[in-house]
Amino acid sequence: DSGVTQTPKHLITATGQRVTLRCSPRSGDLSVYWYQQSLDQGLQFLIQYYNGEERAKGNILERFSAQQFPDLHSELNLSSLELGDSALYFCASSVGGAGGYNEQFFGPGTRLTVL
Amino acid sequence: AQSVTQLDSQVPVFEEAPVELRCNYSSSVSVYLFWYVQYPNQGLQLLLKYLSGSTLVKGINGFEAEFNKSQTSFHLRKPSVHISDTAEYFCAVSDLINTDKLIFGTGTRLQVFP
Repeated sequence: DSGVTQTPKHLITATGQRVTLRCSPRSGDLSVYWYQQSLDQGLQFLIQYYNGEERAKGNILERFSAQQFPDLHSELNLSSLELGDSALYFCASSVGGAGGYNEQFFGPGTRLTVL
Repeated sequence: AQSVTQLDSQVPVFEEAPVELRCNYSSSVSVYLFWYVQYPNQGLQLLLKYLSGSTLVKGINGFEAEFNKSQTSFHLRKPSVHISDTAEYFCAVSDLINTDKLIFGTGTRLQVFP
């Protein structure tokens, strides 16, 4: 158990809908990361937040958005869903901070199925 | 920009045999290198990392990897595998500026047979 929790575990929805994935980081971690793992794209970095502020952005679609709240939990919002958005979405957390290496600890993931 | 290539999508091996999972990277700057393992229906777990110093890195569960700068490789090895090592293995890289942004390879499925 990494200490990172993600809800829900599974999510099934229809095209065109909007969903919210939730992540709670390890106690004391200030950084949260979101990754998407799909069969065709592999494991891709989406976005990082540090202490409530966006720090780094990857291959995140405009239909997707994220935020980190004052209690440090994070939400990933996916809208206008398409079949291709079906994937496993991971959240990771780290201590964060400027410079240097911070080990990322991964949650168990949320499996999104778009029908 | 960095990229990671894992040439083998699947590696079948018998229990107690040695195994090597290959990883090559491309980068114009110095990098950190990582191997993660993903067991079925679980998140990723860090096996080992290379940040600096000795090019031979030892990780958990008896795995080790060697950083070879001239060949831009970071191959993962284990001298004797167990059934429980059956999992997906991902090589990843980050550069020393955007240290938190991990770029992953496509993964190698290690299947250990009895």
